[in-house]
This record gives sequence, C-alpha cells and structure tokens, in this order.
Amino acid sequence: RKEVEQDPGPFNVPEGATVAFNCTYSNSASQSFFWYRQDCRKEPKLLMSVYSSGNEDGRFTAQLNRASQYISLLIRDSKLSDSATYLCVVKLNTGGFKTIFGAGTRLFVKA
Amino acid sequence: GAVVSQHPSRVICKSGTSVKIECRSLDFQATTMFWYRQFPKQSLMLMATSNEGSKATYEQGVEKDKFLINHASLTLSTLTVTSAHPEDSSFYICSARERGRDSTISYEQYFGPGTRLTVT
Repeated sequence: RKEVEQDPGPFNVPEGATVAFNCTYSNSASQSFFWYRQDCRKEPKLLMSVYSSGNEDGRFTAQLNRASQYISLLIRDSKLSDSATYLCVVKLNTGGFKTIFGAGTRLFVKA
Repeated sequence: GAVVSQHPSRVICKSGTSVKIECRSLDFQATTMFWYRQFPKQSLMLMATSNEGSKATYEQGVEKDKFLINHASLTLSTLTVTSAHPEDSSFYICSARERGRDSTISYEQYFGPGTRLTVT
C-alpha cells in the first residue's frame, strides 16, 4: 500500500462547480499535512497547510481526519485557472523528517 | 516568500557526459536542501536530502555515485548527474528549508523552478 494515496483523476468539471479531492495516508506518525498545486511542467507551489480544526482560504477548504487518516481539499466556484494537479503532502517525524508526496489529482476546469 | 533558484532551467547533453545542476536559496540560509526527480505524469520522488557541511542522505534505490550532491554552503547545493543516460532524462527539482526552524514545528519547503534534463 502506498504511504500517500490520491485518486489520479482526471476530474473534469465546468466553471463554477464545486469539486473535492481526498487523500489517504497510511502512517499514523504523520504530523503535518499540506496541499500543493503543480502546473504542467512547473514546480509545486504550496496551496495551503491542513490543520486539525480545518481551515479555509477563499474558495479553498482543507480538512484533516486523523482517526480515518485522510485529508481533503474542497474547491468552490471553480475557475479555469484552477486547472492543475493537486498534490497531497504528508510529513512524518520518525527520528528525522520525511516528506512524502502523493501522485497528485489532475483537475480540468472547462468553460 | 522565500526564493529558491535553479540553474540551468533546461539542459540537453549527450549520453555519457556529466551535468551539474545548482540550487540556491536567494534570501535565506538553508541548512537542508532536498533533491527531487519527476518523470512525466508521475509524482515527485525524493532522491536525497542534503545537509550543509555533511554528506547527503540518499533515498533507497538512488545511486549516490551517479547522483553526486554537494552542499558546501548555506545557500548552495549542487546535483551532478554523472555519466548521464537517456533514462536519466527528467525534471529535477530542488527545495530548501530555512535555517533555524524548530524541528518540532511544521514548516514549508521552498521549491526551485526545476531543471529539465534531456539526455540524447
């Protein structure tokens, strides 16, 4: 089983739609969680951290469920510019930090 | 936010030659730099973790004699792909973690723009 798993998609949604991505992680020692966005042939950029209480940044809402070991990202009112790959990132502390990237979920927002 | 640069952004080399990629933190000191590789339509794969002044720690399956990493200063790490082969063609990305960060607190890694290597 992969340490971090995401649905690869692609998710094809119309502009204005709401779309949600889930990510599951297998190691209960996971401490920190992030969503990154990666555009085609570019480096990943931090979208938002994910906190236990859940957090929102504009149209983006991230949630963490430690009991079920998953995190989610909700995008409301999708824009064409939201088209990208969304990477789930988990950081463990097992005597040293280890960063694990999910394979990413591809999103296409169409007019 | 913090800026990390990579040079070159693109490089084409012949099979058997060596290629050096530089990663610099421009406005902060990075005690730790990470090197990733990404093949088309695949996720980022961590290759190695580089700590300033010490030997890099390589992930399982990454040949340390083929991918030489040097982190000689707090703002510069280099990755040298030795005797490159076509299968080494990939997108190489570095990231840096700022000095002084409490290891118990979650932190952000700042990514460089990446280097696209094509070996012919």
